[in-house]
Amino acid sequence: DARVTQTPRDKVTEMGQEVTMRCQPILGHNTVFWYRQTMMQGLELLAYFRNRAPLDDSGMPKDRFSAEMPDATLATLKIQPSEPRDSAVYFCASGLGSFNEQFFGPGTRLTVL
Amino acid sequence: AQSVTQLDSHVSVSEGTPVLLRCNYSSSYSPSLFWYVQHPNKGLQLLLKYTSAATLVKGINGFEAEFKKSETSFHLTKPSAHMSDAAEYFCVVSEIVKDGNEKLTFGTGTRLTIIP
Repeated sequence: DARVTQTPRDKVTEMGQEVTMRCQPILGHNTVFWYRQTMMQGLELLAYFRNRAPLDDSGMPKDRFSAEMPDATLATLKIQPSEPRDSAVYFCASGLGSFNEQFFGPGTRLTVL
Repeated sequence: AQSVTQLDSHVSVSEGTPVLLRCNYSSSYSPSLFWYVQHPNKGLQLLLKYTSAATLVKGINGFEAEFKKSETSFHLTKPSAHMSDAAEYFCVVSEIVKDGNEKLTFGTGTRLTIIP
């Protein structure tokens, strides 16, 4: 049963620390998305990649956030330095091409104290 | 510009009664439309999608949605609610924009509560 995996599932850190979240997309999927979900802002698209190239990262704060795909089986989202307002659940999703179903991972719950 | 409006932030229905979750969209091009469901502490799961084929789309768990271009709506319905339908529902519009990339816009979500 293919599924998107995310690590860690929960992360508590202190303000100013670096946070790295990892995502393993479903094998064969060529599109990877990063989302952030909070009670106040709802679900926000941060960035997405196709064939490992970033296509749209307009939703991502550029000064502290960075997203990469070192290879086709790994996507990373890094926050440096982290701030309390970054506390949220971060979801990764993968899919095939455009206009197709996205398969979501279980999310990483980040708490920045 | 592309946008999605979910008209109700919260809907409550009794078990066994019909469900209607409303979604209106605006799009400059020919969009694809999706409904996703999110159960507590889970990621989103696709319920159904419209991609310019039949305007009445059937999805999983007895849900369906009708694309009405004249009304720019894509409302989600189910004839008879089940307790397991309690969740958050997101309407999503997707289109190819000028630079050739896909642009996704999520609605703010509708929380569905089922009354026993």
